[in-house]
Amino acid sequence: EAEVAQSPRYKITEKSQAVAFWCDPISGHATLYWYRQILGQGPELLVQFQDESVVDDSQLPKDRFSAERLKGVDSTLKIQPAELGDSAMYLCASSPSGSLMEQFFGPGTRLTVL
Amino acid sequence: GDSVTQMEGPVTLSEEAFLTINCTYTATGYPSLFWYVQYPGEGLQLLLKATKADDKGSNKGFEATYRKETTSFHLEKGSVQVSDSAVYFCALSDNNGNQFYFGTGTSLTVIP
Repeated sequence: EAEVAQSPRYKITEKSQAVAFWCDPISGHATLYWYRQILGQGPELLVQFQDESVVDDSQLPKDRFSAERLKGVDSTLKIQPAELGDSAMYLCASSPSGSLMEQFFGPGTRLTVL
Repeated sequence: GDSVTQMEGPVTLSEEAFLTINCTYTATGYPSLFWYVQYPGEGLQLLLKATKADDKGSNKGFEATYRKETTSFHLEKGSVQVSDSAVYFCALSDNNGNQFYFGTGTSLTVIP
């Protein structure tokens, strides 16, 4: 069964360092989402891509976060510089139709900022 | 704005007990409602969904009915198993499918 792949699964970094997360969606899924899930809370959408274009990044803290999906397939989410409050699970999801109602989630990357 | 409120956990039950996890929502229009499950170390998986009032979503013995009059979508299972131990998220999608809101999650532990 096709799955959304994410790496690394765990990342520990010090504040002010740069970190990057990678996501490979299910083959053929045009829409890709990045979520942040703070411990004890539900996921919050950070950015949505349709192919290589950003559809919605209204909740992405653009002063330190960036996301790209250059060839419309896999995607990278970067944080520079990382802050203590960025410690969270970062989830990637993909959808065949562009509807949030049909999204499939990856296992996530757990980030700890010291 | 649209939002979802679900009961706080953690919830601990004995195997074969009856499960209810409450979820209420606030939304304009006619949202779609979902329950997702997150097993330890894994990503979220869609458990069930309902797209209109009075619809009942069901999967793996879990059920939830979309109640517009009480703005609720409570998750139920008649007899839980140890393998049901996970975090359960209630979620809402606006009627255009363009916005998605998750609840804070309810942790369930089922003990033998």
